[in-house]
Amino acid sequence: DADVTQTPRNRITKTGKRIMLECSQTKGHDRMYWYRQDPGLGLRLIYYSFDVKDINKGEISDGYSVSRQAQAKFSLSLESAIPNQTALYFCATSDLGGQMKETQYFGPGTRLLVL
Amino acid sequence: AQKITQTQPGMFVQEKEAVTLDCTYDTSDPSYGLFWYKQPSSGEMIFLIYQGSYDQQNATEGRYSLNFQKARKSANLVISASQLGDSAMYFCAMIPHRAGANNLFFGTGTRLTVIP
Repeated sequence: DADVTQTPRNRITKTGKRIMLECSQTKGHDRMYWYRQDPGLGLRLIYYSFDVKDINKGEISDGYSVSRQAQAKFSLSLESAIPNQTALYFCATSDLGGQMKETQYFGPGTRLLVL
Repeated sequence: AQKITQTQPGMFVQEKEAVTLDCTYDTSDPSYGLFWYKQPSSGEMIFLIYQGSYDQQNATEGRYSLNFQKARKSANLVISASQLGDSAMYFCAMIPHRAGANNLFFGTGTRLTVIP
């Protein structure tokens, strides 16, 4: 079984709809992240969380919200979807290792199309 | 601010040959980590290799090695003995090692195509 799972894997929605993307991990990591990837670009950080009570905005948080329901679960919501939120969304987890090494492990991604 | 530059939008390599994917970065942080990720056409992001800025030796992971030149701020990925399954997008990324800096900064990627 995959260590980081995302549901749904693909989603088509209409402008103005509220949708939620979910992420679960079995790696036991405290840190979780949501990124989006647009064609021809690298990933950009939306939100991140270091534990259940710690939520932080990333580079492009406008139009998104998150919820850390448990150590293993981190969901991303689009309150009112718009077409320029069409993208590939990744969840990632990490744990701070020795010598400051922090490797982020990614889920399989969710392809979102907003019409 | 952090910036990652990958100047090769696309690369071709013959199967079984070695290939180098370029990455340069710009940061004022004295300590940082450098990563390479592979993204096949299926879309997932696969961690390949990590290099710490204070590591004395270049990182290696199987057929992957990272040619780290700190003074030049470059972190090129070398793939030896290319295989058809290596065809994918490759992203270079960096994370600063300081409180409050918790995300990876990504380059725009290089698409590698391995030719049989």
